[in-house]
Parts: sequence; C-alpha cells; structure tokens
Amino acid sequence: SQQGEEDPQALSIQEGENATMNCSYKTSINNLQWYRQNSGRGLVHLILIRSNEREKHSGRLRVTLDTSKKSSSLLITASRAADTASYFCATNTNAGKSTFGDGTTLTVKP
Amino acid sequence: SQTIHQWPATLVQPVGSPLSLECTVEGTSNPNLYWYRQAAGRGLQLLFYSVGIGQISSEVPQNLSASRPQDRQFILSSKKLLLSDSGFYLCAWSPYGTQYFGPGTRLTVL
Repeated sequence: SQQGEEDPQALSIQEGENATMNCSYKTSINNLQWYRQNSGRGLVHLILIRSNEREKHSGRLRVTLDTSKKSSSLLITASRAADTASYFCATNTNAGKSTFGDGTTLTVKP
Repeated sequence: SQTIHQWPATLVQPVGSPLSLECTVEGTSNPNLYWYRQAAGRGLQLLFYSVGIGQISSEVPQNLSASRPQDRQFILSSKKLLLSDSGFYLCAWSPYGTQYFGPGTRLTVL
C-alpha cells in the first residue's frame, strides 16, 4: 500500500475559503514533502518539513507534521481559482527516494 | 539554475513497438535521477532511480528498462510495449529529499 495516503480524495470549495488536506503514512520518515500538480503537467515542489519540525509556513501554505500520529496536513488559506490542482504528499525514508500518495484533487470555484 | 527536460511530450505507439523516452538535467552535477509512471487519477509509481552513471535500481518488475549513459541523461526504454504501459511518465532529479520534476510524457499504447 502507499506510504503516503491523502485525505480527502477530492475537495471543492469557494474562492476565499481555506482548504485543508491530510496525509497519513505508516513508517518512520526523514522528511515529508507536499507537491502540486496541474492537470497534465509535472509536479511542483511546495514545501518540505523535516521529522523534527512540527509546522512550516510558505506564503499562504501551512504544513503541520505529527510524527506520533504519522500524519501531516496542508492548509491553503484564502484560496484562489488558480489553486485548483492535485496535491500530493511524499515521504522520504531513505536518502533520495520518495513515496507518493494518490493525491487530493482540489477545485476552487470562482 | 537547474532545469530538467523530457521528450517527447506525447507519444502514441502500437503494442509491441519499442520505446525510448529521454530525460536530461542542466545546471547540476551527479544528481539522483528518477523515472515515475502515473496512472490517471493516481499517484506516482517509482519505476527506476539512479545515483550515478551506469547505476540503476529497479523498483517494479516489468518490461521497461532504464539507462544512464551520461551524468545528466536518463533514458527509459522498452523492447516491446504492452497496453498496460500507457500512462504519464515523469522524470525527476534530486539533490536530496526534494524532487524536481520534468514536464512529463503522455504515452498511449494502442
């Protein structure tokens, strides 16, 4: 099974609302990353959080990590139509290898 | 700055035909390189990764192979394509942890 599993699978919100996506994993990790993918395109790295960190911010993005629960969340505040995309978490347990979940598809309605 | 190229962008091939997808990275030396496949609506499946010239690790048994003839070149090949090889193929490079993706190749096997 996937190391990282995102929840929900799909999320639809209105522009201006906040979007929260969750990721659960099974084994100990070195770090966890979130990526964004627009339809038919490659993935774009958003943020990396290390196993000894609990929270990181980047612009309108906030990522939390709870290693005791083996879970992470990605919060996008004040969403925009341009945030419409699929979001993936990836866990890194060995140097240079990442395991991806199936993603959350976010739709932001204008 | 570093850039990663993949070609072709799209490819339609008959069953049983050979395949060669190429990925090149600019602006970095000795990167870790990866080939992923993504099925529609799913996450990324790691196919191959390479930590150096001629060093290839295979993650999933299949009729695909990979080669790294030069430091910044990674090639995905098949001698005979199957219908199940259809998908979106992504190449990525990584200094450590974070991965940087190419634009992908959409392969359709008919």
